[in-house]
Amino acid sequence: SQTIHQWPATLVQPVGSPLSLECTVEGTSNPNLYWYRQAAGRGLQLLFYSVGIGQISSEVPQNLSASRPQDRQFILSSKKLLLSDSGFYLCAWSVWGGYTFGSGTRLTVV
Amino acid sequence: AQTVTQSQPEMSVQEAETVTLSCTYDTSESDYYLFWYKQPPSRQMILVIRQEAYKQQNATENRFSVNFQKAAKSFSLKISDSQLGDAAMYFCAYRGRMYSGGGADGLTFGKGTHLIIQP
Repeated sequence: SQTIHQWPATLVQPVGSPLSLECTVEGTSNPNLYWYRQAAGRGLQLLFYSVGIGQISSEVPQNLSASRPQDRQFILSSKKLLLSDSGFYLCAWSVWGGYTFGSGTRLTVV
Repeated sequence: AQTVTQSQPEMSVQEAETVTLSCTYDTSESDYYLFWYKQPPSRQMILVIRQEAYKQQNATENRFSVNFQKAAKSFSLKISDSQLGDAAMYFCAYRGRMYSGGGADGLTFGKGTHLIIQP
């Protein structure tokens, strides 16, 4: 069966520090992968998506970047975190007609 | 660009009663998918129900059903026999059928409705 792993579950980082969130998928090949962010009291906003290794598209300009070094690995990064980067980050993968979400990472930038 | 609107920030219902959550969307496409997701306090996103726009029949999943009105671009969720475990944020989401909208079939979400179940 297909599963998605996302870590860490919670993270507290100081302003200006780097960030690396990792997401891996099992049980499928060549999935579309996504990073979403959910700010407090708001819906989910699509940040990045990837249709294959090394292929990254950004939906919104921001302080973050994404990479896909392997077929089932998707990484969200930042060189220097801002206070506004705080939020809940969700990784997801899709097959035609459906999505599966990871358990999320709560990031607090202090 | 596609937009999804949930006009009810919060809804409250008595246990065992029925509640309907509203969702409207804007699109120029004729074929697409619509979803309702549930997000409990654990923050995990759980798929509740899915509707393909080309299907006229409303989707149902046990106590959950939708009222899909394509011409009106409306997609409401009805929860029957509400249970305490139904308490959560509910998000309506849209996806274009062919690599459009949010990019590579990414989802566009509404802002959510907080559903409270009164015991």
